[in-house]
Amino acid sequence: SQKIEQNSEALNIQEGKTATLTCNYTNYSPAYLQWYRQDPGRGPVFLLLIRENEKEKRKERLKVTFDTTLKQSLFHITASQPADSATYLCALDKGGGSNYKLTFGKGTLLTVNP
Amino acid sequence: DADVTQTPRNRITKTGKRIMLECSQTKGHDRMYWYRQDPGLGLRLIYYSFDVKDINKGEISDGYSVSRQAQAKFSLSLESAIPNQTALYFCATSGGQVSYNEQFFGPGTRLTVL
Repeated sequence: SQKIEQNSEALNIQEGKTATLTCNYTNYSPAYLQWYRQDPGRGPVFLLLIRENEKEKRKERLKVTFDTTLKQSLFHITASQPADSATYLCALDKGGGSNYKLTFGKGTLLTVNP
Repeated sequence: DADVTQTPRNRITKTGKRIMLECSQTKGHDRMYWYRQDPGLGLRLIYYSFDVKDINKGEISDGYSVSRQAQAKFSLSLESAIPNQTALYFCATSGGQVSYNEQFFGPGTRLTVL
């Protein structure tokens, strides 16, 4: 069966450290993978998209890697701040022409402690 | 003004009642989606529409119906609400010229079925 797993339900780190979140998938061949941020009671907000032929993408303090052999994406937040505390969701398409329909992981709750 | 709006934001209803949740967008996107979010289960796709004449079931469509009244409007109906439909419901859109595959979410509707 197809699965998306975000390995940690919750991650606590100290301010200034790098947070690394993991997204693994099985039985998908996605054309791309996306990361979203969700604050309590609010809708997810898009952060980054990485395509299957890209190894890494960066945006300010965020970095995403995508390894289609390992079927894994890593999401890094460098120099983390308490304001980065939120739930982070990975999402991917199923490929094969279903590029516009996403399946979401359950998310990782990140808490950055001052 | 918000690009994706949902009404109502909160609704409490009783078992057996018919409920309609409405979504409007000013982004000019063709694709619209309805998700529900439950603790521990993440975001799950209920229905999606790639244009006004195209409506498709998602992974959990039983007990729900939708109507795409115009490019900008996509409504979700619960014909006879039941308690296990208590959840946070999100509408989303995609299809922009610059970020074609990212999804933009509304603020959510918190529905409680007693």
